Amino acid sequence: AQKITQTQPGMFVQEKEAVTLDCTYDTSDPSYGLFWYKQPSSGEMIFLIYQGSYDQQNATEGRYSLNFQKARKSANLVISASQLGDSAMYFCAMREGVYSGGGADGLTFGKGTHLIIQP
Amino acid sequence: DAGVIQSPRHEVTEMGQEVTLRCKPISGHNSLFWYRQTMMRGLELLIYFNNNVPIDDSGMPEDRFSAKMPNASFSTLKIQPSEPRDSAVYFCASSLDGKDQPQHFGDGTRLSIL
Repeated sequence: AQKITQTQPGMFVQEKEAVTLDCTYDTSDPSYGLFWYKQPSSGEMIFLIYQGSYDQQNATEGRYSLNFQKARKSANLVISASQLGDSAMYFCAMREGVYSGGGADGLTFGKGTHLIIQP
Repeated sequence: DAGVIQSPRHEVTEMGQEVTLRCKPISGHNSLFWYRQTMMRGLELLIYFNNNVPIDDSGMPEDRFSAKMPNASFSTLKIQPSEPRDSAVYFCASSLDGKDQPQHFGDGTRLSIL
């Protein structure tokens, strides 16, 4: 069974500092994908970044990047130069079988990390 | 471009009443998902559709829950009869076909059953 672990329930970070949010996962499927979402206090879920298990390079998207360590089964989200607007819940999610074809199916989410950026 | 549209945004009703949540996916997306978010259990997948066909409803908690997708632009999640433990935020999400495609979420429906 898929499992996602986010060990940091909450984090306080000073504005403009870099932030690393931890995510470890457990799967026996070598073909999987990892997704990160942001949920501000307003409640919506915003897709940030995706990493496939066979991708040769770590994913980057603007100020977001993934520190993907396959052997350790970790996919930590790095936010560079944090801003006050980055304060939110952050969720790591996984889907198996991404390279095996077939239609989309559901994501398994971690419990999330509550990030607070302080001025 | 319009995102996933959910209605209502908030619903407060009494135990035993029927509740219907509605979702309009992003045009062109052929996969649709219903999730429930609670403090205790986090985000849970309830059911998903591919090309309007229900594929996996194993996450639906009880027979009181049902979901339909009569066409590519509309889905409903119904709870009948509702119970206080059904109180949660219910999200609808849609995506293009393919397991590497991200899901795009609606703003959610905050449901309170008194």
